[in-house]
Amino acid sequence: EPEVTQTPSHQVTQMGQEVILRCVPISNHLYFYWYRQILGQKVEFLVSFYNNEISEKSEIFDDQFSVERPDGSNFTLKIRSTKLEDSAMYFCASSGAIGDTQYFGPGTRLLVL
Amino acid sequence: QKEVEQNSGPLSVPEGAIASLNCTYSDRGSQSFFWYRQYSGKSPELIMFIYSNGDKEDGRFTAQLNKASQYVSLLIRDSQPSDSATYLCAVNRDDYKLSFGAGTTVTVRA
Repeated sequence: EPEVTQTPSHQVTQMGQEVILRCVPISNHLYFYWYRQILGQKVEFLVSFYNNEISEKSEIFDDQFSVERPDGSNFTLKIRSTKLEDSAMYFCASSGAIGDTQYFGPGTRLLVL
Repeated sequence: QKEVEQNSGPLSVPEGAIASLNCTYSDRGSQSFFWYRQYSGKSPELIMFIYSNGDKEDGRFTAQLNKASQYVSLLIRDSQPSDSATYLCAVNRDDYKLSFGAGTTVTVRA
């Protein structure tokens, strides 16, 4: 069964460093998403991406964040200068159409020290 | 007002019983409704989706939607210890963003 994959599973970084989180969406899906979940809190939408551009972003997704689809399979989230409060689980998701079921990857646990 | 509200629980049910989970949402334009299950430290896993008013059954799970009351529920019949998890209600306006509730933690007692 097709699934979303993410790497790395865990990332520890120092405050102020850049991190890149990687995702491989389900192959025939066209819509890609990033969500985050701070420990003990709800899942929060960060950004959606379609047709090589951002289609919607939340207020969390400020200038320190960027997304890219560098090739035909990968989808990345870059955090330029990490802060302590960026520590969270980051989930990538994909769907075949707008409003369709979004399938989540296993997540990357990011810890900023 | 929160976009999606759920009772946080914990909801404790004996094995074999029915677990009933509730969710309300504030945006009347919401079109798609999803229930995800999340085990501790893991990612959300789709249980069911529902788009139309009424009931939708899938195995031991039944989702109920009432758009007039802005209410969606999930019933888990014949609850098993493996059903112990946090259940997330998520809502979509047929645009890009899923809005999640905080989740209801269910514990099934053997």
